[in-house]
Amino acid sequence: DAKTTQPPSMDCAEGRAANLPCNHSTISGNEYVYWYRQIHSQGPQYIIHGLKNNETNEMASLIITEDRKSSTLILPHATLRDTAVYYCIVRSIQGGSEKLVFGKGTKLTVNP
Amino acid sequence: NAGVTQTPKFQVLKTGQSMTLQCAQDMNHEYMSWYRQDPGMGLRLIHYSVGAGITDQGEVPNGYNVSRSTTEDFPLRLLSAAPSQTSVYFCASSRSRVSPLHFGNGTRLTVT
Repeated sequence: DAKTTQPPSMDCAEGRAANLPCNHSTISGNEYVYWYRQIHSQGPQYIIHGLKNNETNEMASLIITEDRKSSTLILPHATLRDTAVYYCIVRSIQGGSEKLVFGKGTKLTVNP
Repeated sequence: NAGVTQTPKFQVLKTGQSMTLQCAQDMNHEYMSWYRQDPGMGLRLIHYSVGAGITDQGEVPNGYNVSRSTTEDFPLRLLSAAPSQTSVYFCASSRSRVSPLHFGNGTRLTVT
């Protein structure tokens, strides 16, 4: 499995950009990087995903380094409602089967 | 579309009892999976299925059984509940191996 490493917690001021890093140094060429977030005790919510190129949608931007060993999720104008745990995962295919591994994520706190 | 529906939302069991956590999706998704979430542990994969009739073990399968007789349903069975299985359980589905996961709102299980 390709594993990911994220800082356990981060703070961000409301209205500023939140940049959440993720290391996935063992990612292989056909594996995608996905970001999810979990607000309080709800089910995780999909944010964005990418393979090689940078991606943007209405929620966030995803920047993937050229060597694909790390990525950054950018919330351009963080609001208090973006306070959540953010998970970076890779979709791993191992021995013909598939296992998705969620780590502990980054607890993002947006402060007023 | 209801998305991913999990029942019940809350359950209390005594040690040794059995029960089935239900998960249903109405999106015709091939991939379904079960996760448990414990404080400070992130999400851990229990079992997953890549289609009707096909299941496989995840990271923490012991004490749990699954079956996938239809595309829509993926029940999780606890044969003999133990206090260590006290957790929040999430079911997820996706259209394909590289499509975003859709999560249910979870089942909070307490085993006394």
